[in-house]
Amino acid sequence: GIQVEQSPPDLILQEGANSTLRCNFSDSVNNLQWFHQNPWGQLINLFYIPSGTKQNGRLSATTVATERYSLLYISSSQTTDSGVYFCAVPLYSGGGADGLTFGKGTHLIIQP
Amino acid sequence: SAVISQKPSRDICQRGTSLTIQCQVDSQVTMMFWYRQQPGQSLTLIATANQGSEATYESGFVIDKFPISRPNLTFSTLTVSNMSPEDSSIYLCSVAVNGANVLTFGAGSRLTVL
Repeated sequence: GIQVEQSPPDLILQEGANSTLRCNFSDSVNNLQWFHQNPWGQLINLFYIPSGTKQNGRLSATTVATERYSLLYISSSQTTDSGVYFCAVPLYSGGGADGLTFGKGTHLIIQP
Repeated sequence: SAVISQKPSRDICQRGTSLTIQCQVDSQVTMMFWYRQQPGQSLTLIATANQGSEATYESGFVIDKFPISRPNLTFSTLTVSNMSPEDSSIYLCSVAVNGANVLTFGAGSRLTVL
């Protein structure tokens, strides 16, 4: 199956700082999603981004499919951004939304 | 996106017992997915449940331990059988709304096995 590596594993920032989270994957994918898991465990889908760039408020994401990586940018961090950010791709090359495999996540703590 | 309701939200269970988790979706979906998240870990896909057919299990998960039902296009159950403390995890139901590629998750069921 496709391997997913995320970095950094942990990140502690002050409120207002910017951050970049990275996701590397081992094979070509036609589906890549970023999720945020808040401290209460709820998983929220942030982006569906198999290629290109998308923006949603203070968050943006870029996937360079040919180089097998994706970046999640968080600008002007707020304490509510704290939690774990996961990148997920299909379990197997050629897979769609079925059978996603998740990276180990980046644990982000935003301090006031 | 779909709205997913999971029950129970949390439970404390005794070793050797079984627990069934329910997942209800507010729209019809072809595939429903069950994931496990062990404490402090990432998510691992247990199985994919299609209506009208047997669930497809991923490596390391077997039907005898995690039987799944999918009686219609809006509902599924996952049973964790003969539980041990190692089964203490959050179990999450997710769906990709028909024709879309984006996964939506329920709030999860947090199980603690004593």
